[in-house]
Amino acid sequence: DAGVIQSPRHEVTEMGQEVTLRCKPISGHDYLFWYRQTMMRGLELLIYFNNNVPIDDSGMPEDRFSAKMPNASFSTLKIQPSEPRDSAVYFCASGSPPYEQFFGPGTRLTVL
Amino acid sequence: GENVEQHPSTLSVQEGDSAVIKCTYSDSASNYFPWYKQELGKGPQLIIDIRSNVGEKKDQRIAVTLNKTAKHFSLHITETQPEDSAVYFCAASTKGFQKLVFGTGTRLLVSP
Repeated sequence: DAGVIQSPRHEVTEMGQEVTLRCKPISGHDYLFWYRQTMMRGLELLIYFNNNVPIDDSGMPEDRFSAKMPNASFSTLKIQPSEPRDSAVYFCASGSPPYEQFFGPGTRLTVL
Repeated sequence: GENVEQHPSTLSVQEGDSAVIKCTYSDSASNYFPWYKQELGKGPQLIIDIRSNVGEKKDQRIAVTLNKTAKHFSLHITETQPEDSAVYFCAASTKGFQKLVFGTGTRLLVSP
């Protein structure tokens, strides 16, 4: 298995633009997680899905952020409009209980 | 909600020495405590975990101890090697492997 796949690996955009991050979880995993990592706030859980259904989105910072999981093999995290303070590394992870969460390589987002 | 504190933020040791990283958590209902290792440019990777019904777990050079009364848990790495150099994160969850709350990370540097 190729592990969790994220795209793009790097994204540079200008303030106000829409940004879409993509994730392909490991096949067979029924949980998918989106995290954000910054120097100031560390690693934060944004939202997670179980069987494609959002379970907890309490970590989503504001309405500019949205996440979808249309099927078991694909999820997106969208930021619209983007702001400089959204600059961070965004990780997708997948897993099935009671085992571990497997993290992807991350997407480094820079908003100018 | 859960709050996890991690110390120290940086740790430098000589190759062959032991390294200890400590974490405290706030929610007595937490029942799952994983440790992740993050190398530069990569996503976090699980190295060991412990559940609340166990006080200690060991895997080769790595061990984790849990004190539920004091609400703290520690990572012990013996016979450190340069390839152990990375950032280590502890985490805690009240919902098994699902809703992880991460510590702020410890940058471990092992000098040859």
